[in-house]
Amino acid sequence: DGGITQSPKYLFRKEGQNVTLSCEQNLNHDAMYWYRQDPGQGLRLIYYSQIVNDFQKGDIAEGYSVSREKKESFPLTVTSAQKNPTAFYLCASSVDRVPYDYGYTFGSGTRLTVV
Amino acid sequence: DAKTTQPNSMESNEEEPVHLPCNHSTISGTDYIHWYRQLPSQGPEYVIHGLTSNVNNRMASLAIAEDRKSSTLILHRATLRDAAVYYCILRDPEGSARQLTFGSGTQLTVLP
Repeated sequence: DGGITQSPKYLFRKEGQNVTLSCEQNLNHDAMYWYRQDPGQGLRLIYYSQIVNDFQKGDIAEGYSVSREKKESFPLTVTSAQKNPTAFYLCASSVDRVPYDYGYTFGSGTRLTVV
Repeated sequence: DAKTTQPNSMESNEEEPVHLPCNHSTISGTDYIHWYRQLPSQGPEYVIHGLTSNVNNRMASLAIAEDRKSSTLILHRATLRDAAVYYCILRDPEGSARQLTFGSGTQLTVLP
């Protein structure tokens, strides 16, 4: 079945460490996205990519980095510069065929905790 | 960005229809209306989206006002599994910032 796989499901990080969250899709979608969700709040956009080897900052990109070397993969690195990284991280993908609009497919998320 | 307004919470009885409202008075001509729902500790799930005409799929129906300033997500027969936060979002696929922007949504409680 096609979908988005995020791993790991739970991740613990010590302060000062960088960690990388994996996101893989086999939907042949063009665009991929990373969102962050804090308890009781909506999702906020971190980074997005509409084509391979290109990505753009979202609303809260500081302390995060991404790469898009393959269409299927969009890993997110949470760096030590991110002051409050404990959160639920969600990856999504979509077809990008302007002017038509398509729904997003989301992964099941990675819960990151700083210890 | 065009914004949406939704009630913070709603209740429904199991096996009855649910009408979730969304106001978007500043919608532009190229904005699509999207609905997603999210269960606790899960990623959001796409429900439905539309531009001008009413839309139906296996999950729900989307009724769009003639002036497009409001819309209603209709769950025809609520089940306990429909209890979730429902997000109404506007998206312009041709806009420079055409990513989904989530608000706080409506928490739907389904009573047995």
